Amino acid sequence: GAVVSQHPSWVICKSGTSVKIECRSLDFQATTMFWYRQFPKQSLMLMATSNEGSKATYEQGVEKDKFLINHASLTLSTLTVTSAHPEDSSFYICSAIPLAGFYNEQFFGPGTRLTVL
Amino acid sequence: AQTVTQSQPEMSVQEAETVTLSCTYDTSESDYYLFWYKQPPSRQMILVIRQEAYKQQNATENRFSVNFQKAAKSFSLKISDSQLGDAAMYFCAYRGYNFNKFYFGSGTKLNVKP
Repeated sequence: GAVVSQHPSWVICKSGTSVKIECRSLDFQATTMFWYRQFPKQSLMLMATSNEGSKATYEQGVEKDKFLINHASLTLSTLTVTSAHPEDSSFYICSAIPLAGFYNEQFFGPGTRLTVL
Repeated sequence: AQTVTQSQPEMSVQEAETVTLSCTYDTSESDYYLFWYKQPPSRQMILVIRQEAYKQQNATENRFSVNFQKAAKSFSLKISDSQLGDAAMYFCAYRGYNFNKFYFGSGTKLNVKP
């Protein structure tokens, strides 16, 4: 149990276009989902906390207008990278905290590799 | 803000041997959770072990165990009988009792030599 999926697993896009990444909790409901960014050989950098039905909370230094987060349901959060540029190329990981049980743990998606040309 | 420090960027261990990864953290909270996550080359984050700060007993999961020293704010991971599949990045993480946010260390790359 406690599986989180991400789609797509990898995406290549042209500079200036927008890309949407989906994060789904497959077998549990999640009120809170996190979006992380990871550069090669580095740790996870928290970008934002997404709560169902409310606006996301962004970490300092993260442009909310560039990284749009929507948590429309208890099983789905989306991250849209708007007007992507090469410097947005990275590995994006989502995670989810179950509504019930395992309250002190987060379950991670497999990640999405974004390459902006 | 809480900080998590992993002072060993990379470590190596011989197969079947034991290795210990270090982690220290800084917090003013008395109740919190600590985690070790493994990230293999696939980059899927996997929970290795979890420790609740209010529990004095060190957590153990098969070949993985922790040495939790609350006063010293230290949380090391011991891997016994190391296997080739243990080769990965290992991240130490902290979460406050009343807050959802997790704080990660910079990671330790573990190499396992056959």
